[in-house]
Order: sequence, then structure tokens, then C-alpha cells
Amino acid sequence: DAGVTQSPTHLIKTRGQQVTLRCSPKSGHDTVSWYQQALGQGPQFIFQYYEEEERQRGNFPDRFSGHQFPNYSSELNVNALLLGDSALYLCASSTTGRAEKLFFGSGTQLSVL
Amino acid sequence: AQRVTQPEKLLSVFKGAPVELKCNYSYSGSPELFWYVQYSRQRLQLLLRHISRESIKGFTADLNKGETSFHLKKPFAQEEDSAMYYCALSRSGSARQLTFGSGTQLTVLP
Repeated sequence: DAGVTQSPTHLIKTRGQQVTLRCSPKSGHDTVSWYQQALGQGPQFIFQYYEEEERQRGNFPDRFSGHQFPNYSSELNVNALLLGDSALYLCASSTTGRAEKLFFGSGTQLSVL
Repeated sequence: AQRVTQPEKLLSVFKGAPVELKCNYSYSGSPELFWYVQYSRQRLQLLLRHISRESIKGFTADLNKGETSFHLKKPFAQEEDSAMYYCALSRSGSARQLTFGSGTQLTVLP
């Protein structure tokens, strides 16, 4: 089991562009959460997907949107990129029965120039 | 709104010495507290959670509701304990939405 996989590992964009990040959960997991980690900070919750719907959302603008597919994989989309969106984006998966244990991916490092 | 504070960004101790990583939180309800760890070139992973009251790799953490703290302790630090440690909180019943502290980088010196 490869665990949680994220792609790409690194990405460089310019202001105003749009970006899509991808995540495949650990085998057997049905819930995906996304976190943003700025340099020197802890991860900050963006949103969570379960049964292909957004279930919980953190304090992020509508420019951040997501999707979950029938195979439980997920995408994070960010529109109209700002310099401040530069960060490590982490995906975490879990199961409904073991909500307290999150498994994290290695992240996608996004740089906005 | 909930908040987690880790007052020490960096902490260095010698091998065999006791170590305590501080975590304070603010939340009006009944929280669930966690410690996550990230070793060099590895992923963020769960170390322990208060509800299980377990000891992992010699680490323990006790939830003190009076002082709103959840400090992580180990009596004898080992070099392999060197890592970034994050304290995290979730609202009871919403354990997947975690609020993280800013982390403490622990270095255990030989």
C-alpha cells in the first residue's frame, strides 16, 4: 500500500492562474481532507470530502474548491492565484469509523510568482 | 474559535535528558487533542491522542483542562526523537478537522 499519494510534488504558477492538485487516499479510506501549510506554520484545514460532497470547510475563500470522485480520490482547485497561496498543500485520508487517525501525503509544494 | 499555541519553535536537549514540549489550547467546548510528528524526510504522522491515554515511543501527554494544556513528555530523550512536533485539536465529534499549532522542532544532541 503506497499510502496517500499526491501529485504533482512541485508546481510553479504565476499570479492569476488556476491550479489543480490531486490526491489518492490510502487503500480502504473514504474521506479526504486538504490542508495548507505555509512556511514555518502548522497545517491549516481547507475542507473535507466524504461521499463526493464537501462536508466541512475551514476559513478559506471560494477560490478554493474541490472534488471527490467515486473511487475516493480528490482534487483541490485554486483559482485566481495570489502570491500568498504559495505553500505546501497536504492531503490526508481517513475512514468514517476511525476519524481520529489521519494519514497524510507528502504534499504538493506550490509556488506562485 | 479554537486555537493551539506551541510557545517554543526550537527545543534542544541532550540524549538521556527529560523533554517536555508545551502545548496550550483555547476552545470553549470539549476538545480532542493530538500530537503529530514529522521526522526528517518523512510524512506527518499521528504520535498519540489524549483519548487513548497511551504511551508511544516513550512519549506521554496528559490533557489538563484546568490549564488548557496538553504537554508532550518523555523521561529520557533519544537522538531518534529529533523531529518536528505539532499539537492539534479537534472539536469533539469532528475529529477530521484539526487545528494545528505552529510546531516545535526538537533536536536531541548526542
